[in-house]
Amino acid sequence: AQSVTQPDIHITVSEGASLELRCNYSYGATPYLFWYVQSPGQGLQLLLKYFSGDTLVQGIKGFEAEFKRSQSSFNLRKPSVHWSDAAEYFCAVGARGTGGYQKVTFGIGTKLQVIP
Amino acid sequence: DAGVIQSPRHEVTEMGQEVTLRCKPISGHNSLFWYRQTMMRGLELLIYFNNNVPIDDSGMPEDRFSAKMPNASFSTLKIQPSEPRDSAVYFCASSLRGQFDYEQYFGPGTRLTVT
Repeated sequence: AQSVTQPDIHITVSEGASLELRCNYSYGATPYLFWYVQSPGQGLQLLLKYFSGDTLVQGIKGFEAEFKRSQSSFNLRKPSVHWSDAAEYFCAVGARGTGGYQKVTFGIGTKLQVIP
Repeated sequence: DAGVIQSPRHEVTEMGQEVTLRCKPISGHNSLFWYRQTMMRGLELLIYFNNNVPIDDSGMPEDRFSAKMPNASFSTLKIQPSEPRDSAVYFCASSLRGQFDYEQYFGPGTRLTVT
């Protein structure tokens, strides 16, 4: 079964600073990887996804993530954080579940706080 | 498109009462997911429907939980009887089965409090 580890439960960065959120996955085959963002009181929104091809993936809101197979990682980055980026970020891995659909397993989430 | 619609947004009920959560997926989507989010366990998949048929209900915690999808535009998650440990945020998500069936679109969630 697949699993996702987000080692940082809470991260604080200054506005304008760079950001990197860590994600490690466990899956026997080539994974389908995702990053979602959840603002307070809202549902999850897809930031970006990786299926195959270029290992550097661009997403919405200026985010990018890099797939590194050798490290089983899919870290999320942003060069300059804005106060509106304060939210909770979830890494997820997709794998075939019952009936052949893509069963997505989510990490525990990383809460990002942005300070002035 | 209005996105995934969930109702109610907040529900407070007493232990032992029946609770029904509702979801309207995005028009044209043929897959629907119910998730539960808690601080302790994070986001857990409860059940998955494809073309209104339950495909994977292995995440449904116990018999007190049931889910239905009578048509392509409506689904319910029912808890009967409810218990305090059911307190959580329940999300519904939909997607289009096929190449991108893992690109799920989430509703705003229903925050359930059982006292």
